[in-house]
Formats: sequence, C-alpha cells, structure tokens
Amino acid sequence: GAGVSQSPSNKVTEKGKDVELRCDPISGHTALYWYRQSLGQGLEFLIYFQGNSAPDKSGLPSDRFSAERTGGSVSTLTIQRTQQEDSAVYLCASSWNLSGGPSGYTFGSGTRLTVV
Amino acid sequence: KQEVTQIPAALSVPEGENLVLNCSFTDSAIYNLQWFRQDPGKGLTSLLLIQSSQREQTSGRLNASLDKSSGRSTLYIAASQPGDSATYLCAVSPRPKAAGNKLTFGGGTRVLVKP
Repeated sequence: GAGVSQSPSNKVTEKGKDVELRCDPISGHTALYWYRQSLGQGLEFLIYFQGNSAPDKSGLPSDRFSAERTGGSVSTLTIQRTQQEDSAVYLCASSWNLSGGPSGYTFGSGTRLTVV
Repeated sequence: KQEVTQIPAALSVPEGENLVLNCSFTDSAIYNLQWFRQDPGKGLTSLLLIQSSQREQTSGRLNASLDKSSGRSTLYIAASQPGDSATYLCAVSPRPKAAGNKLTFGGGTRVLVKP
C-alpha cells in the first residue's frame, strides 16, 4: 500500500477483555516498530521487528502484551485482560530496514484504545 | 545506549517569527536523523530525513542541519504560521547491524504560533 495502515482506528473495550491491534506496513518494508503514546506524553517504545523476528521485546509493559509478525508483513499487537492504564494511542511505523533506509520511517495514523 | 534530548520542551512565538528547535543525541554513530511533526491526537508525519553523510536538508520553509560529531541537529522553520503549531520530534536511527540499538526519539518540542 501507499502508507502504513492501522486498524481499527478507534477501539473501546471493557476492562478484562482482550484486544488485537493490526498494522499493515508499506510493502517491502522489513523493519516495523510499535509505540504507545498516552495522553500528553511522549512515545513509549514497545517492540520492533526485523522481518518476522523481534530482537528487542524489552519495551513490552507486561506479559499481557504480545506481538507477532507473519510473512514479513502484517503485525498484530495483542493485549490480554486489558486494564484502564492500557488506554493510549498505539502507533506503528515501518521502514526498508532498521537503519531507516533511503526514506526513513513512515508512521500509521494509530489506534486509539480506550479501556472502560 | 542512545539518548535523544529536545530543548526547549515548549515554545510560543508570534506569527512571522523564525523557529529554532534543537535536538541532541549522545551516540554519534547514527545512520540518519529524521524530524517529524505530530498534531494533537494524530500520528507522526515525516518532515525531513538527513543521512549521516549529509549536513543539511531543506524543504520549503523548513531547514534541518546535522552536526554528527557534536551530536546535534537543528530544525529551522522560517516565517512561522499558526498552522505550524504542533509537536516536533526528532529521531535517530542506528547503523546497520548495530547490536542493541534501535530508533530513538526525543521527547519533542511543543510549538504554538500565535496569530
């Protein structure tokens, strides 16, 4: 696609439910990042992928968070047993490689998650 | 571990004044540096990308410089307009195959241009 696509754009869920957030990167981009941004705060690194592998999972806040990427393309971020503190905008970015390649990183519009 | 700092955290200027936003990083072994703009509640829009071998990049009213040896980049926005009001973030990318390094962001500078 022309850009990074994230779905859903908005998600309201009840506390304790599981949610899946999807990121569809630009075709051919091997590097993919997930970030979280709480209201009025900066970007919080969650995880990145090089191809299908995730060398650095250190940013995942707890074991309720997991992410996978299949076929070197679409990635899903899963949050189990959601809590109110999980409410945030979840952003995805992709690039040709981890160093940004010739065009740097492109971000999606994000998924706004609200846990009630 | 790479650390990126942006000063000031917030900036308010009257319309027409030039904006100067600073970004500093601790590890000069970067591959490139990218400036982004973020409007409230929105994703990040790429403004300029500077490769490590470059000294500056320009796009319209925007000019970004890079001094890798001193670990600094500056984003200049000429003749600011109210529509320039947003948060501006810089991010540095690691060299290829640099172990343990990842795309690292500064905390951003929140800009308000008053009409």
